[in-house]
Amino acid sequence: DTGVSQDPRHKITKRGQNVTFRCDPISEHNRLYWYRQTLGQGPEFLTYFQNEAQLEKSRLLSDRFSAERPKGSFSTLEIQRTEQGDSAMYLCASSFSFGGRTEAFFGQGTRLTVV
Amino acid sequence: TQLLEQSPQFLSIQEGENLTVYCNSSSVFSSLQWYRQEPGEGPVLLVTVVTGGEVKKLKRLTFQFGDARKDSSLHITAAQPGDTGLYLCAGEASGTYKYIFGTGTRLKVLA
Repeated sequence: DTGVSQDPRHKITKRGQNVTFRCDPISEHNRLYWYRQTLGQGPEFLTYFQNEAQLEKSRLLSDRFSAERPKGSFSTLEIQRTEQGDSAMYLCASSFSFGGRTEAFFGQGTRLTVV
Repeated sequence: TQLLEQSPQFLSIQEGENLTVYCNSSSVFSSLQWYRQEPGEGPVLLVTVVTGGEVKKLKRLTFQFGDARKDSSLHITAAQPGDTGLYLCAGEASGTYKYIFGTGTRLKVLA
């Protein structure tokens, strides 16, 4: 399978714990995005990488959130000191641009529940 | 701030009816994509529109990109229960690399 994969699919954690999610993009894609999605809403942009460089972070991404993409391959999203409001689906996507068009392909997401 | 507004937010229709979903922005987009998302899964790409005025058909789905590349629409003919899902438009506004999503349209087609 050469699609975007995310791990884990589900995570239940206690408030105050740290969690880390992993995303493996499509290998030839140079851009990688993280989004957060709550029920019934469209995905909210969190951050994106071009190769290993993190080029933009949303104001939604508080100091408790950090993302890395070492060597421009897989990426991790860490949430420290989780809060109940962090409960959501975290989606990763990768893309490459050509001719002015960008098409992003998504993983199946990691559903986080903070209890 | 680039925003993509979708309307309607919710739509519940009977099988066989037609419907149109709109995606509007004040920003110009170099291309727009439409996705469908099922509960618990990531969005799945349906189509990309690139040229202003472009119309693309995918079986019973017709996608249109506005002449000014600021808006798009999705028309479904003779909707079926299998069309039920969250429909999302998305794109990269010209001059940015930020890939953003619309607010979403939740469609339910009743048998």
